[in-house]
Amino acid sequence: EAGVVQSPRYKIIEKKQPVAFWCNPISGHNTLYWYRQNLGQGPELLIRYENEEAVDDSQLPKDRFSAERLKGVDSTLKIQPAELGDSAVYLCASSLLGYEAFFGQGTRLTVV
Amino acid sequence: AQSVTQLDSQVPVFEEAPVELRCNYSSSVSVYLFWYVQYPNQGLQLLLKYLSGSTLVKGINGFEAEFNKSQTSFHLRKPSVHISDTAEYFCAGKTSYDKVIFGPGTSLSVIP
Repeated sequence: EAGVVQSPRYKIIEKKQPVAFWCNPISGHNTLYWYRQNLGQGPELLIRYENEEAVDDSQLPKDRFSAERLKGVDSTLKIQPAELGDSAVYLCASSLLGYEAFFGQGTRLTVV
Repeated sequence: AQSVTQLDSQVPVFEEAPVELRCNYSSSVSVYLFWYVQYPNQGLQLLLKYLSGSTLVKGINGFEAEFNKSQTSFHLRKPSVHISDTAEYFCAGKTSYDKVIFGPGTSLSVIP
């Protein structure tokens, strides 16, 4: 069974530019999470989807961040415009029926 | 407040010695508890989980953890570590609102 797939693995962009990350969860998993992990810290939840509905986006900086999960499967996370402080690893995870989350390898974003 | 605390940011230990990584949680995150491991440039991998039942939980790679409700702790242990156990370890808890909160992580360094 394929795990959670994220792309790209690495991204370097200049500040004020847009960037997008893509996630394909494990087949059949109804819950999808986007986390941000700063260097030396634990992951922090940005947004959680139950199927195609965003049920928790309280930590998503809505002025520059957006996310969507069309048809309740794949998801994209976008930042526009990116700031220096957005440099981090962006992790996608999925779970079935709300049990343990399975993580992708993450996208390491560097904003210069 | 909802929180997961890992008091030790770094734990050095000699190869084949036992190790304990400490985790404490606030009462609001005690619905489910998890330990994840993260190797360099990788996503998080589930080591073990506590949902209910026996308070001693066994996971992969020889790790185990004990849920202690009175001390609000969920410490991770391994009787004999290997070089390959060098990684970052994260304790996490799930709240009644289905939110997974991660601790700041403990960096385990196994010394040959």
